[in-house]
Amino acid sequence: EPEVTQTPSHQVTQMGQEVILRCVPISNHLYFYWYRQILGQKVEFLVSFYNNEISEKSEIFDDQFSVERPDGSNFTLKIRSTKLEDSAMYFCASSPSSQDYEQYFGPGTRLTVT
Amino acid sequence: RKEVEQDPGPFNVPEGATVAFNCTYSNSASQSFFWYRQDCRKEPKLLMSVYSSGNEDGRFTAQLNRASQYISLLIRDSKLSDSATYLCVVTSDPLSGGYNKLIFGAGTRLAVHP
Repeated sequence: EPEVTQTPSHQVTQMGQEVILRCVPISNHLYFYWYRQILGQKVEFLVSFYNNEISEKSEIFDDQFSVERPDGSNFTLKIRSTKLEDSAMYFCASSPSSQDYEQYFGPGTRLTVT
Repeated sequence: RKEVEQDPGPFNVPEGATVAFNCTYSNSASQSFFWYRQDCRKEPKLLMSVYSSGNEDGRFTAQLNRASQYISLLIRDSKLSDSATYLCVVTSDPLSGGYNKLIFGAGTRLAVHP
């Protein structure tokens, strides 16, 4: 069964450093998403991406964040200058179309900012 | 008012019990509704979509009441493996231009004991 994959599973970084979280969505999917979950809190939407551009972003997704689909398979989330409060699980998700609301989640990357 | 509200629990039930979770959502324009299951430090996994007519999948039954903006999940004959956090999820208002971002509740914890 096809699945969304994410690397790395755990990333530790120092405050102020840049990190890139990587995702490989399911191959025939067209819509891509990033969500985050701070420990003990709910899952929160960050950004959606379609046709090589951002279609929607949340208030959390400020200028420190960017997304990219550098090739036909990868979908990346970059945090330019990490803060302590960026520590969270980051989940990538994908869905086949805008009419198919079911989103399939990757296993997540745990980001720890020290 | 929170966009999606759930009783955090925990619900501690014996094996074989029937347990019901409830959820309310604030945006009457939400189009799609889901229950996701999340195990500790894992990604959310789709349990079932929720339809106005109600739907059943084995031991799980989901109901939607659009007039009351209320969603429910019933689990019959609970198993130890049902222990998890159950997330009530709605999609954003399509008229706001959103590309189906998922809005999560904080989840209800279920612990099934022998």
